Amino acid sequence: QKEVEQNSGPLSVPEGAIASLNCTYSDRVSQSFFWYRQYSGKSPELIMSIYSNGDKEDGRFTAQLNKASQYVSLLIRDSQPSDSATYLCAVRTGFQKLVFGTGTRLLVSP
Amino acid sequence: EPEVTQTPSHQVTQMGQEVILRCVPISNHLYFYWYRQILGQKVEFLVSFYNNEISEKSEIFDDQFSVERPDGSNFTLKIRSTKLEDSAMYFCASSATSGGADTQYFGPGTRLTVL
Repeated sequence: QKEVEQNSGPLSVPEGAIASLNCTYSDRVSQSFFWYRQYSGKSPELIMSIYSNGDKEDGRFTAQLNKASQYVSLLIRDSQPSDSATYLCAVRTGFQKLVFGTGTRLLVSP
Repeated sequence: EPEVTQTPSHQVTQMGQEVILRCVPISNHLYFYWYRQILGQKVEFLVSFYNNEISEKSEIFDDQFSVERPDGSNFTLKIRSTKLEDSAMYFCASSATSGGADTQYFGPGTRLTVL
C-alpha cells in the first residue's frame, strides 16, 4: 500500500513565526510532490509543486524534497492567521493518481 | 483565472437512488479526475479520464460508479445505486498534462448526503 504520512497536528505557531510541515512517503518511485491547503469545508488549493531534490521557493513558501529519505516538507515564513488551515501533502504515484496524506492542521495565533 | 466548476454544491438523495455529479474542467486541460473525501478523512482518488476513456481507477471505483464526458465541456460522475457510505465531498480535478508539470486543480466540490 503506497502511503503518505503526515503529523495531524495541530501545529500551533505565533504570527510572524516559521511553520514547518513534514511529510514522508513510501513509494520510492514517486516523481511529483504537491502541497495543497484546505480550509474547512473547502476544496484543496494548490500551494506548491516540487519534482527535484532540493528547495523550491515561492513567496513565503519553501518546499523541500529529499528523495533518498522519501521526505518532503513545507516551510511557511512570516506565518499569518489567514494561513490557519489543513495542509495536505500529495504524491503522484503510478500514472496519474495522487495519494494524499491526512493533512496537518496549522493554527497561527495573532 | 480559469477554474474547475462543479454542480450541484450539495446533493441530498435517498439510499438506492442514482445521482449524477457534474464538473466543468479548465478549458484547455486534457486529464480529468474524481476524488472523494469522507468527513474527517483523507482525500481519496477515484478515477482519472483521458481521451474519452478511463486511464486509471481505484478499488473504490466499482461497478456502481461511472464517468462520462458527454460533450466538449462537461465531465460527470454517476453513482447508480447510492449507499449510506457514499456520503462524502466529491471533488473534480483537471490537469493539462500527465507526468512532468502535471498539477491537478480542484473544483469546489459537491457534498453528497445519502439518507
